[in-house]
Amino acid sequence: GENVEQHPSTLSVQEGDSAVIKCTYSDSASNYFPWYKQELGKRPQLIIDIRSNVGEKKDQRIAVTLNKTAKHFSLHITETQPEDSAVYFCAATGSGDKLTFGTGTRLAVRP
Amino acid sequence: SAVISQKPSRDICQRGTSLTIQCQVDSQVTMMFWYRQQPGQSLTLIATANQGSEATYESGFVIDKFPISRPNLTFSTLTVSNMSPEDSSIYLCSVDRGLGRGYTFGSGTRLTVV
Repeated sequence: GENVEQHPSTLSVQEGDSAVIKCTYSDSASNYFPWYKQELGKRPQLIIDIRSNVGEKKDQRIAVTLNKTAKHFSLHITETQPEDSAVYFCAATGSGDKLTFGTGTRLAVRP
Repeated sequence: SAVISQKPSRDICQRGTSLTIQCQVDSQVTMMFWYRQQPGQSLTLIATANQGSEATYESGFVIDKFPISRPNLTFSTLTVSNMSPEDSSIYLCSVDRGLGRGYTFGSGTRLTVV
């Protein structure tokens, strides 16, 4: 089955700086790669996703890049703000449209 | 739109008992997914529930421990059976919202087994 690795496990940045979180996946047939933000005590919320026919996607301050050859994808957050502090999960779909999640990155944005 | 209502939101249960968690979706969906999130950890898929057939369980999860029902295209239940403290987790259901809008989650059930 699919295996997703995520790095780093924790990330601390100064407000206004950029944050980058990286994930690798194992199943070359995976074709959908979402990113979720989970605040304490809340459900994961989809913040951006990318499909295998696209190399990059942007939505305001967040962007995702995908390298299918290398089987890795990354989340980029620019101009970070304190409200960006949360746990971020990457995921990939393997067989059966099932999402396999990475281990998570705890992002702290220092004011 | 695929908005999910999940209940209960939390419960404290005695070991050896069972708890049934319900998810109601506001539109028909083919598959519903059940996840477990242990404290401070990532989400692990328990099983995929299809209407009209038995659920498909992931490695490490069995039907006797986590029976699932899927009576129609908008509803599913997950039962955590014969609970032990190790079952203390957040349990979440999820569906694909369709039309390329990605997967959404229910609000979760925080289970504590004492």
